Parts: sequence; structure tokens; C-alpha cells
Amino acid sequence: GAVVSQHPSRVICKSGTSVKIECRSLDFQATTMFWYRQFPKQSLMLMATSNEGSKATYEQGVEKDKFLINHASLTLSTLTVTSAHPEDSSFYICSARDLSGEGYGYTFGSGTRLTVV
Amino acid sequence: AQKITQTQPGMFVQEKEAVTLDCTYDTSDPSYGLFWYKQPSSGEMIFLIYQGSYDQQNATEGRYSLNFQKARKSANLVISASQLGDSAMYFCAMRQYSGNTPLVFGKGTRLSVIA
Repeated sequence: GAVVSQHPSRVICKSGTSVKIECRSLDFQATTMFWYRQFPKQSLMLMATSNEGSKATYEQGVEKDKFLINHASLTLSTLTVTSAHPEDSSFYICSARDLSGEGYGYTFGSGTRLTVV
Repeated sequence: AQKITQTQPGMFVQEKEAVTLDCTYDTSDPSYGLFWYKQPSSGEMIFLIYQGSYDQQNATEGRYSLNFQKARKSANLVISASQLGDSAMYFCAMRQYSGNTPLVFGKGTRLSVIA
């Protein structure tokens, strides 16, 4: 079935450094990728939508200069948290539009737990 | 704008019993899809069941069924014969059919299955 490989699964970084999270679709072409953030005991909140070859669309309140999204190919989308701070500690998860139909069009990565110290 | 409401922050159920997790939604789009996901402590999102707005019959997938009441705008998840492994967060989500739109999630319900 359709798989989205997300790496790393866990990362601890120092305050002020940048962290890159990758989501790779393994057996399908993901023209659109959605990036979500989930704080403890809360729901998934959409951060941005990225389409292959074009600039990402960010949700209101999400700093595009802080959360850089690149979707340069049909199989890879990346989220870079720049100059991370403790308040950026969260669970980040991607979701690819999968037109093959499995999951009724949405395939999730396994998530990345980011801790900024 | 779309909205998903899950009013039960936490639920307890005895092993082998059935449990219903509530979900109501709001949308002005006549075409939409409703989803339920399970999120264990590992964080992964596990797809459980899907209901399209024009589907005549309630969706079923094994022990999961979706009680779809369109007029009431509700899409409750029923889990039959609960197992200890069902303990997790459960999210109801919706998408519009038009365009490449993201899923909008409810706040979730934490289900605890008791032996």
C-alpha cells in the first residue's frame, strides 16, 4: 500500500539551531503534502499545504520564514524549523494526497517528535 | 468554514463491550468526506473508516462502524467488542471534495479500555 516515510522520528536540538524533517512518498507521487503540528493532548493543526514545484501556502499564524517548506519533487517534501526555540517543541506530521485511493486519498507519515532544549 | 466537534475528551469502556465515540460536523459544502483515525501513543495516524456524504449506507470495517446521520450532521464511530489494544486517541476528520483540500480534525477522544 501507499507509504509515506517520515524522518527523523525523534530529534532533540539546541535552541537556535535548525532542524529538517523529511517526508518521502515511497510508491506513489505526492503532488500535495499537508504539514500538521500537534501539541501534547491537542489535535492536529494544519500548518501549511505544499504543492510540488510551487510555494507552500501557510495557515494564518504560522511563520513562513520560521517553518520553511520545500516540495521540489513528487516524492519528497521537507519542513525545516529554523532557529528553533523551546516553544517549537511539538509533534510534526505530514500527510500526502494519494490519488491511488488508499486511505481515501490521505497517507500520513509516522510523525516527528521535536524537542528543543 | 468546516468544523468538527468531538465533545467527549475521554471515554472508558469495559473489554469486550461496545463503545460509541461522538462526532458532529458543520459544513456548507454538499460534498464531503468523513474520516476516523486512531492515534496510539506512538503518534502514528491509523486510518479506520470513511464515509462519503452521498453514501447511502453506513460504513463498516471489521469491528468499526460509522453511524452516519446526515440530517443531524453526526458521524459517530462505534467500536464493537473492545480490546485492550483499542486504548488510544481517536480523531474525527472531514474534507471537502472540491480541490486538494486538507483534513480538518476534531479535538479527539481518549478511549481507555478496561480489563
